Amino acid sequence: QLQLQESGPGLVKPSETLSLTCTVSGASITSQSNSWGWIRQSPGKGLAWIGSLYQNRFMYYNPSLKSRVIVSADTSRSQFSLKITSVTAADTAIYYCASGFVPTSGPRPLYFDTWGRGILVSVSS
Amino acid sequence: SYELTQPPSVSVSPGQTATITCSGDSLPKQFTFWYQQKTGQAPVLLIYKDTERPSGIPDRFSGSSSGTSVTLTISGVQAEDEADYYCQSTDIASSVVEFGGGTALTVL
Repeated sequence: QLQLQESGPGLVKPSETLSLTCTVSGASITSQSNSWGWIRQSPGKGLAWIGSLYQNRFMYYNPSLKSRVIVSADTSRSQFSLKITSVTAADTAIYYCASGFVPTSGPRPLYFDTWGRGILVSVSS
Repeated sequence: SYELTQPPSVSVSPGQTATITCSGDSLPKQFTFWYQQKTGQAPVLLIYKDTERPSGIPDRFSGSSSGTSVTLTISGVQAEDEADYYCQSTDIASSVVEFGGGTALTVL
């Protein structure tokens, strides 16, 4: 059974880089059947997609965050990670890592059928 | 970019049917997905590809689509269905993911 677990610092200073890791168990990061993504939720707000990774070579980003975000994978550790540079208080949120099934044929829309529990990251000095 | 619009809130009495809509100009060309998020918990996938239900999701949850709108229907609403519901779609050409603003379902 696929399981995801976020980890990283809960507090980041303004202008610094937010770095989070998602540890994957039950599937391979390089699987053709799974995409891997990050979604965040600001306090009291809705879900916002940040970016996704597929087969460790296709990266997709929210256009509004693209200039500050990198999603990458460490296949040796079965982890994928998120980096957001130059953070501000607006980046304070619960960050979820998630995975979605990718079919072998036909349309392949990104979606998320397995989620981690989320990690709260606050940006404050 | 594109937007997905949901009503901020829907209220329904136990046993009745709740309908939550999601509208967007690009929806006729894209699949839509629905998630349920209870307070303090991670979202759970309820519906994928407009109408399909993952294993383990009760059959009182169903999805439909018509033109630029998709609808999540919850039949025989139960108190445990009180949650926030989000629609999501993905632009097939760019793989950009968009979430609707979410709908808070209140069970009276």
